[in-house]
Amino acid sequence: ENVLTQSPGTLSLSPGERASLSCRASQSVSSTYLAWYQQKPGQAPRLLIYGASNRATGIPDRFSGSGSGTDFTLTVSRLEPEDFAFYYCQQYGSAPLTFGGGTKVEI
Amino acid sequence: EVQLEESGGGLIQPGGSLRLSCTASGFTFSSFAMSWVRQAPGKGLEWVSSIGYGVGSTYYADSVKGRFTISRDNPKNTLYLQMNSLRAEDTALYFCAQTIATGAWYFASWGQGAQVTVSS
Repeated sequence: ENVLTQSPGTLSLSPGERASLSCRASQSVSSTYLAWYQQKPGQAPRLLIYGASNRATGIPDRFSGSGSGTDFTLTVSRLEPEDFAFYYCQQYGSAPLTFGGGTKVEI
Repeated sequence: EVQLEESGGGLIQPGGSLRLSCTASGFTFSSFAMSWVRQAPGKGLEWVSSIGYGVGSTYYADSVKGRFTISRDNPKNTLYLQMNSLRAEDTALYFCAQTIATGAWYFASWGQGAQVTVSS
């Protein structure tokens, strides 16, 4: 099983600041099959990024993904109030599908 | 607009059975793989099961293999999860998700979830 470790567990920032979230895999993720999701309290997750760096439909360009192999990063260039939420990475390069433990971005 | 609505959740005793349903609209259901993902209270996301778009190859997490069965009824645009031999650790919010299966799998759209609580 490919274990994904997200860091930091909690990121405390202010609106307008830049957020960098890390996702490290225990095994190389093939073909950059890595996705990022945002989840707000009481809501379903929302796909942000797939293929490590491709924004999903309707996702603002302040969200970007990068990385390959075992190290991936989600960057939010300038935090908006609605961006304070939980973020999860997920690998889909090998079975079973696995998620990281999540990063909470808080004000 | 993709819409996914789960139903069938509830409180069930350990060892019991429950069937979740997910009704889909806004897309061609039969052309997409579908999945169930769960979230225990205060915890992260855990993939549970996926099914291919056609006759439906099925896939399960080890934690539910042999106890849960995923299926679909394409004419009814409905996804199911039959859960047997339920355990306390199965307590979670269960999301159904439209799944993109292009070599591997990720979750494009999600329902709001159905709560399953396993307790005596």
